Amino acid sequence: NAGVMQNPRHLVRRRGQEARLRCSPMKGHSHVYWYRQLPEEGLKFMVYLQKENIIDESGMPKERFSAEFPKEGPSILRIQQVVRGDSAAYFCASSSYNGGTDTQYFGPGTRLTVL
Amino acid sequence: SQKIEQNSEALNIQEGKTATLTCNYTNYSPAYLQWYRQDPGRGPVFLLLIRENEKEKRKERLKVTFDTTLKQSLFHITASQPADSATYLCALLDQTGANNLFFGTGTRLTVIP
Repeated sequence: NAGVMQNPRHLVRRRGQEARLRCSPMKGHSHVYWYRQLPEEGLKFMVYLQKENIIDESGMPKERFSAEFPKEGPSILRIQQVVRGDSAAYFCASSSYNGGTDTQYFGPGTRLTVL
Repeated sequence: SQKIEQNSEALNIQEGKTATLTCNYTNYSPAYLQWYRQDPGRGPVFLLLIRENEKEKRKERLKVTFDTTLKQSLFHITASQPADSATYLCALLDQTGANNLFFGTGTRLTVIP
């Protein structure tokens, strides 16, 4: 049973370009979460999605960042017009929330470097 | 303000000893608390979950305690091995209804052979 998949593992962009990060949840999971980890800092929640719906985007910057989880295909985190401060590791997690526990399983992350 | 503090940014212990890591939280009402392991360049790996009404959970050489009065969780690794060297993260789900986890900054454990 494959775990959470993320690609690319490493992404280099120049300032002003767009970054597109992909996440395929574990089989059977319909809940996806995106977190960002800056160097020497803890993981910070960005957005929580279910299929075709954004449930909570309270942790995501209002500008330049967007996320989607379409009916078919992976979840996408898009960062437009990247700046150096966007350089970080971006982790996706998935769960099969059943109203009780909500263990989140993480992918390997995408390390974004903005030059 | 809300805080999750993992005391000791780094902890070095001798192989075979018990490692004890601390997680303290402020201004949260956790529904449950989880511990993850993270190796350099990798994603966090889930280890244990303990609910607010549980005092202790065990899994092989791992033990977690949860004291809602002290607002603290302790994470123990007994008979530690060099392979246990990693960063350990505590995370909690708040009872406010949000589904996201709040993470501490982690403790980097090094087990010395």
